[in-house]
Amino acid sequence: QKEVEQNSGPLSVPEGAIASLNCTYSDRGSQSFFWYRQYSGKSPELIMSIYSNGDKEDGRFTAQLNKASQYVSLLIRDSQPSDSATYLCAVNGRNYGQNFVFGPGTRLSVLP
Amino acid sequence: GAVVSQHPSRVICKSGTSVKIECRSLDFQATTMFWYRQFPKQSLMLMATSNEGSKATYEQGVEKDKFLINHASLTLSTLTVTSAHPEDSSFYICSARDLISGGRGKSNYGYTFGSGTRLTVV
Repeated sequence: QKEVEQNSGPLSVPEGAIASLNCTYSDRGSQSFFWYRQYSGKSPELIMSIYSNGDKEDGRFTAQLNKASQYVSLLIRDSQPSDSATYLCAVNGRNYGQNFVFGPGTRLSVLP
Repeated sequence: GAVVSQHPSRVICKSGTSVKIECRSLDFQATTMFWYRQFPKQSLMLMATSNEGSKATYEQGVEKDKFLINHASLTLSTLTVTSAHPEDSSFYICSARDLISGGRGKSNYGYTFGSGTRLTVV
């Protein structure tokens, strides 16, 4: 079992819809969770971080964490074509030291 | 926010030559930096962890004699690809850990990435 798993996609949603991106992780002791967005040919940029169970909202983005289910998700409301990118889930836990483990990424395509 | 500067952004070199990539933390000190490699349509793969003043820690399967890492100061880490071959062509990205939130005695850290270096070996 991979440490961090994501659906590779592509996930296609129409403009204005809600995009839902999912991530599961294997280390139950994981403590910090991050969502990064990566445009083609560019380096990743941080969108959200979440550390506690529940929801965390920032503008059009909402991160959801459920440690019991070892599941973290990212919702993008009112999706825009500019949101089309690959979204990487990253997990930092007690077994990872200072390093993150990245998921394979989900490619999102928002159709105008 | 924290800024990590990486250069060059793009380099083309001949097979057999060496290429040095620099990664600088501009407004914070980074005792630890990370070097990743990303092949097309694949996720980031950690190559090594660079520690200021000590030897880097390499991931399994990464040749330490081929990918030389130097972290001589708190703001600079370099990756040198020695005797580069076409299979080394990839997108190389560095990152550094920085404090992104805190309070109530708890510090939360995130990782800021450099802009990446596209290496093409011909």
